[in-house]
Amino acid sequence: NAGVTQTPKFQVLKTGQSMTLQCAQDMNHNSMYWYRQDPGMGLRLIYYSASEGTTDKGEVPNGYNVSRLNKREFSLRLESAAPSQTSVYFCASSGPGNSYGYTFGSGTRLTVV
Amino acid sequence: RKEVEQDPGPFNVPEGATVAFNCTYSNSASQSFFWYRQDCRKEPKLLMSVYSSGNEDGRFTAQLNRASQYISLLIRDSKLSDSATYLCVVNMAGSARQLTFGSGTQLTVLP
Repeated sequence: NAGVTQTPKFQVLKTGQSMTLQCAQDMNHNSMYWYRQDPGMGLRLIYYSASEGTTDKGEVPNGYNVSRLNKREFSLRLESAAPSQTSVYFCASSGPGNSYGYTFGSGTRLTVV
Repeated sequence: RKEVEQDPGPFNVPEGATVAFNCTYSNSASQSFFWYRQDCRKEPKLLMSVYSSGNEDGRFTAQLNRASQYISLLIRDSKLSDSATYLCVVNMAGSARQLTFGSGTQLTVLP
């Protein structure tokens, strides 16, 4: 049981380049989330999808777009990367009721130079 | 004021010690509470949910005080493997299952 799978694990971009972070879950969860984690800032919500076909902004959505491709997959796109987007990105999913919190992917370490 | 506040530490304790972490949250209508553990350069993993009556899982005890908007985690008989960052996590009222994370408390258990 893979849980939540994120790709790539590492990426270096030049300022202005674009890329898509991929996330897939095999737990039949309805809700999926993208967070970024910066030193001293904790995890901050970028976007979330409460169910297939819906997406909503979180705390720090600027500079990002998302697509909930189907129930399993939720991608995060950086259209024009900036050094301020250097961070660790985590995808997570949760099931009905959220009684058990979130399951996280292993993260993508992104550096924008 | 941060929505979820934790003492960042670091806490350095000897093996076998008892250590307690505290957390406060700003929204009195918050509904669900958790402690997560995050190892260095890894993803956060659910350690335990926190219930109003308090709950225990082996060496770990979690307490919730809704009146004071305060959550605690107690670790007894610390092991080297307990070294990690502990995240206090709250489901804010009306946030559609979105979780708000504290910045974490770093624990190092020393031999």
